[in-house]
Amino acid sequence: AQTVTQSQPEMSVQEAETVTLSCTYDTSESDYYLFWYKQPPSRQMILVIRQEAYKQQNATENRFSVNFQKAAKSFSLKISDSQLGDAAMYFCAYRRDSGGSNYKLTFGKGTLLTVNP
Amino acid sequence: NAGVTQTPKFQVLKTGQSMTLQCAQDMNHEYMSWYRQDPGMGLRLIHYSVGAGITDQGEVPNGYNVSRSTTEDFPLRLLSAAPSQTSVYFCASSISTGRGSNYGYTFGSGTRLTVV
Repeated sequence: AQTVTQSQPEMSVQEAETVTLSCTYDTSESDYYLFWYKQPPSRQMILVIRQEAYKQQNATENRFSVNFQKAAKSFSLKISDSQLGDAAMYFCAYRRDSGGSNYKLTFGKGTLLTVNP
Repeated sequence: NAGVTQTPKFQVLKTGQSMTLQCAQDMNHEYMSWYRQDPGMGLRLIHYSVGAGITDQGEVPNGYNVSRSTTEDFPLRLLSAAPSQTSVYFCASSISTGRGSNYGYTFGSGTRLTVV
């Protein structure tokens, strides 16, 4: 079974600084997708960024970028120029690309990010 | 376009009571699922469905039932509520996978359930 590990239960960053959230995963699949979701205090789950395993280029969405290391099974999220609105719980998630269960998301336990003014 | 709609947003139940959490999506998504979120545990899959009439168990299915009579609706039933089912419940949906598609899920806003 696939597992997703977020080793940092909590992180903090100063406003306008850069922070990196770590995620590792375990899978025997070669094709899969990885996601970072943001959950602010409103409780809504918001997709931040996604990465297809078959793509070597790291995904980028404005101030959010990932460092995808397929061989190391690592998928970290970098937030540049941190803003107060970035404060939230962040979840890393995995989804396989083949087989009957390719619609299931497996989540890590989350990293709570605090942004200090 | 409402996305994924969950009702109710909050609910308090007494031990042994039953109830149904409603979930509806208007995006014609084939896949729908229910997750529960507990502190320090992330989101864990309860049940999922790949289409109308097809459901299957996830990681933590005990104490819950689901059915999928239409593409749009995927209700979650608590048969006899227990304090261990106190949690935040999320419904999520997705189109089928395939390169070029949006592989992410669309989540509802969640239901906070307390069982006393």
